[in-house]
Amino acid sequence: SAVISQKPSRDICQRGTSLTIQCQVDSQVTMMFWYRQQPGQSLTLIATANQGSEATYESGFVIDKFPISRPNLTFSTLTVSNMSPEDSSIYLCSVTPRGQTQETQYFGPGTRLLVL
Amino acid sequence: AQTVTQSQPEMSVQEAETVTLSCTYDTSESDYYLFWYKQPPSRQMILVIRQEAYKQQNATENRFSVNFQKAAKSFSLKISDSQLGDAAMYFCALLRGTYKYIFGTGTRLKVLA
Repeated sequence: SAVISQKPSRDICQRGTSLTIQCQVDSQVTMMFWYRQQPGQSLTLIATANQGSEATYESGFVIDKFPISRPNLTFSTLTVSNMSPEDSSIYLCSVTPRGQTQETQYFGPGTRLLVL
Repeated sequence: AQTVTQSQPEMSVQEAETVTLSCTYDTSESDYYLFWYKQPPSRQMILVIRQEAYKQQNATENRFSVNFQKAAKSFSLKISDSQLGDAAMYFCALLRGTYKYIFGTGTRLKVLA
């Protein structure tokens, strides 16, 4: 298994500002992902965080709005840039631990973001 | 297009009773995985059970079992002997291709004492 922590756990931000969310795993992982869960909605994949290279974004998500870093095998950040109230969501990271296959994913506790 | 549909936004069950949560999906893939995840109010997503599409036998994990009907593209979750701790949001998910999950909209389960 993998123990995942996210910081901050929640935040209230003003529109036009940016927030960086951290995802830390207690062991090395092959894959790291970022999801968004809008109020009352399901999880939507934002991007795959690739170690040492640019993230792979899903349709509807762009790097300028959601820049992602992954400097090593245990850590990633997601920045929500130039925020608007529509960005109010829970943001979750998920991982596939090293040595495990794609059908094994663990989710972090999420970051609850409210944009005023 | 790949889709996952959960038609029950909310369900209630009496403690110790059995409840079934519905999920249908659509995919053109022949090889895929299906999952049920639980998200309690604390938000940590927890894997409840998973099913490989190539396996005909329904997966079972203690009080949780699935009814996997591949031809009908149906994947329901049965929770037996419901407990108060089972109260949560339950998401059905499809994994096809590489690492990309598609989630349903969720079913909120309430357990009544």
